[in-house]
Amino acid sequence: GENVEQHPSTLSVQEGDSAVIKCTYSDSASNYFPWYKQELGKGPQLIIDIRSNVGEKKDQRIAVTLNKTAKHFSLHITETQPEDSAVYFCAASTDMRFGAGTRLTVKP
Amino acid sequence: GAGVSQSPRYKVAKRGQDVALRCDPISGHVSLFWYQQALGQGPEFLTYFQNEAQLDKSGLPSDRFFAERPEGSVSTLKIQRTQQEDSAVYLCASSLTWGNSNQPQHFGDGTRLSIL
Repeated sequence: GENVEQHPSTLSVQEGDSAVIKCTYSDSASNYFPWYKQELGKGPQLIIDIRSNVGEKKDQRIAVTLNKTAKHFSLHITETQPEDSAVYFCAASTDMRFGAGTRLTVKP
Repeated sequence: GAGVSQSPRYKVAKRGQDVALRCDPISGHVSLFWYQQALGQGPEFLTYFQNEAQLDKSGLPSDRFFAERPEGSVSTLKIQRTQQEDSAVYLCASSLTWGNSNQPQHFGDGTRLSIL
């Protein structure tokens, strides 16, 4: 089955800086890669996703890049704000395996 | 519009009791998923339905876990003879479709299960 590794496990940045979270996957058949933001006591919320036929996707301050050859994909958040503080998870189909999560803290 | 709704939000049970957790997916969503999330971990896949058909139950940890979706809408996850290691947050997600064309999964806020 799929194996997803996520790094770093914690990330602290100053407000306005950029944050980058990286994930690797093992199953070359995976073709859908979502990123989720989870706040305390809430379910994961989809923030951006990318499919295997696309190398990069942007949505305002958030972008995701995918390198199929290397089997890794990354989340980029620019101009971080305190409300970006949360736990972020990557996931990879085929069987929706999630990474272990990255706790992002944005200091005002 | 209404999102995925899960009930109860919190459930406390004594070891050995049976529990039932409910999920109301987004109307019209064909696919429904159950996940287990331990503290500080990512969600772990349990099982997946396409309409009323349970297509994958490979993540269910033991035969004490049972899920159903009899009419292709509401789903129930049942845990029999609960044990302390069953304590976790149980998440439900639904999507328009899954398989050949994966559509985004939308999650509920989960049921936090505590086994005493």
